[in-house]
Amino acid sequence: AQKVTQAQTEISVVEKEDVTLDCVYETRDTTYYLFWYKQPPSGELVFLIRRNSFDEQNEISGRYSWNFQKSTSSFNFTITASQVVDSAVYFCALRTFGSGNTGKLIFGQGTTLQVKP
Amino acid sequence: IAGITQAPTSQILAAGRRMTLRCTQDMRHNAMYWYRQDLGLGLRLIHYSNTAGTTGKGEVPDGYSVSRANTDDFPLTLASAVPSQTSVYFCASSEGGNSYNEQFFGPGTRLTVL
Repeated sequence: AQKVTQAQTEISVVEKEDVTLDCVYETRDTTYYLFWYKQPPSGELVFLIRRNSFDEQNEISGRYSWNFQKSTSSFNFTITASQVVDSAVYFCALRTFGSGNTGKLIFGQGTTLQVKP
Repeated sequence: IAGITQAPTSQILAAGRRMTLRCTQDMRHNAMYWYRQDLGLGLRLIHYSNTAGTTGKGEVPDGYSVSRANTDDFPLTLASAVPSQTSVYFCASSEGGNSYNEQFFGPGTRLTVL
């Protein structure tokens, strides 16, 4: 079975705190891609990052960083020095090579992040 | 560049009525998708199309139909709406149907079926 679990339903932090959003995935495929999307209050989904199963290098983009660990099937997302504008729902998603041409993205339930001033 | 546009933005619909949600992209992407977003369930794939003229069923296709007459448009039709189809619907597109292509999403349509 293929599944993405975001165990944290809601997280609340104060501005400038660091926060990590957890993502755990399940798949039997050896080739797959992991994605993070941001959904701000306006409702649109914004692509943040893609990572393939053969590249376990961590990635940093400004205040955002991602930690991919195949050993624990996790792809966690950290925001450093959080800002109010980071308040959004964040989705982790999985797409496997075995999904063939369905284009199916398997989404986690989402984590609502609230950053308070 | 508009990217992906969806219409209407929101709609309240009586049960049993027919409804078509429109989706247009201007990125010349080959693949397009329809998802529904429900609280606690994330987004689930309804239907997809890897290229103009072809469509396929996703995870929750029942009660929905799609067509792909050209590259840009991918309408989603509810033949006879039911309250369980109350949801936020997102159209998405990607360059191809391959697993590594990121999908770009439209702004969504909020549909309420009474």
